[in-house]
Amino acid sequence: LAKTTQPISMDSYEGQEVNITCSHNNIATNDYITWYQQFPSQGPRFIIQGYKTKVTNEVASLFIPADRKSSTLSLPRVSLSDTAVYYCLVGEPGGFKTIFGAGTRLFVKA
Amino acid sequence: EAQVTQNPRYLITVTGKKLTVTCSQNMNHEYMSWYRQDPGLGLRQIYYSMNVEVTDKGDVPEGYKVSRKEKRNFPLILESPSPNQTSLYFCASSPIATGGISAFFGQGTRLTVV
Repeated sequence: LAKTTQPISMDSYEGQEVNITCSHNNIATNDYITWYQQFPSQGPRFIIQGYKTKVTNEVASLFIPADRKSSTLSLPRVSLSDTAVYYCLVGEPGGFKTIFGAGTRLFVKA
Repeated sequence: EAQVTQNPRYLITVTGKKLTVTCSQNMNHEYMSWYRQDPGLGLRQIYYSMNVEVTDKGDVPEGYKVSRKEKRNFPLILESPSPNQTSLYFCASSPIATGGISAFFGQGTRLTVV
């Protein structure tokens, strides 16, 4: 399982775009990159997953460069309710062991 | 509504008194897993199950037991709880094709062992 490294915390203001980068230098060929969001005292919630280039859904975009050694979660126009911890995971679909890193604590200010 | 349900949500117990935290999912998922979350340590995997009667250890299995007798249920058993098992516990499930990297999580069980 590839180890991931993310910033511990980030601050932003409402309406700004937030980009959180995750490093995963040892990513394997079959690994996908997944991001979760966790609010205090709640379980993590799946946000987005990708393998290469760019993936976009109604919540976020995920940018993955050609070497796949890093990825960037992009949250457009954040609001106060986006204050949460964001986790980056790397692993193979169908894999059973998972490693969550410490995550990035995003604080959105008014 | 698709969900993973854990019970109880909060539990305070004493050292050595056996307890079980239940987890149930209504999505017919093959894969289920237990995690504990501690400040500064993130989520750590305790046990996981690929299907009925198939379980395996995660990163921190010591002091815990699990069973998977039915597809929908995956209880976590603490035979003799100790204070270092005070933590926030999460159960998760997913289809076997996606495994652990994209899963539905329960709301959590906050356990305090005194």
